[in-house]
Amino acid sequence: GQQLNQSPQSMFIQEGEDVSMNCTSSSIFNTWLWYKQDPGEGPVLLIALYKAGELTSNGRLTAQFGITRKDSFLNISASIPSDVGIYFCAGQTWLGGATNKLIFGTGTLLAVQP
Amino acid sequence: DVKVTQSSRYLVKRTGEKVFLECVQDMDHENMFWYRQDPGLGLRLIYFSYDVKMKEKGDIPEGYSVSREKKERFSLILESASTNQTSMYLCASSLPGGSGNTIYFGEGSWLTVV
Repeated sequence: GQQLNQSPQSMFIQEGEDVSMNCTSSSIFNTWLWYKQDPGEGPVLLIALYKAGELTSNGRLTAQFGITRKDSFLNISASIPSDVGIYFCAGQTWLGGATNKLIFGTGTLLAVQP
Repeated sequence: DVKVTQSSRYLVKRTGEKVFLECVQDMDHENMFWYRQDPGLGLRLIYFSYDVKMKEKGDIPEGYSVSREKKERFSLILESASTNQTSMYLCASSLPGGSGNTIYFGEGSWLTVV
C-alpha cells in the first residue's frame, strides 16, 4: 500500500529547541493532517490543512500544506518535555461518495531532554 | 468530543485462536476504519466501512475480516491468529464526504500472539 515519506525518523533534542519535520508524497492529497501519539495511546489530531499553500498554527505548532499538494511540514517551537511522542503526517484522499481515506507517514519519534 | 472506544486494550492469544477486536464510536459517524501500527511502518489500513453491512479492503486485509452490523460498532476478526499479527490495532471513525472530514482514533488494542 501507499505510504508517505516522513523525516526525520527520530529526533533527540534539548528542551527549548525548535523542531521541524516533513512529509512528501508522489501523490496529490486534498487534505494534510498532523497527529501526535503519546506512549500507549491512539493518535490525536493536532492540525488539519485543507488548501494548498495554507499555513496554520496551533499554539507552538505550525504546519503548512505544500503548494504542489504533495508535501507538508510541521514545526514545533520552544519544545517542552510533554512534546515527547510519535508524530504522524497523513494525507487524505476522497474515494468518492461518502468515503475518505488516510495514508500515513511512518512517523517521527521525538524525545525532549529537560 | 468524539469518542472512539476499543474495549480490549491488551490481549494475549495463542496461535490459531479466533480473535475479536471491538470498536464503538458515539458520534454517529458513517465511516469506520481499522489500522495496524508497527514500528517503522506507521499506520496501515486493514479494512474500512462507509455504512452498516458495507466493508472495503484496505492495504493489508489478508488474514483479517470485519463486521459492521450496527452503525456505531465495527469489529475486526482474526480467524486464525498468527504470530505476525502481533501488533497494535487502531480503530477510527469519521463523517462521510470528501476533504475536510477528519478521522478520530481510539486508544488502541495491543495484541500479542504467542
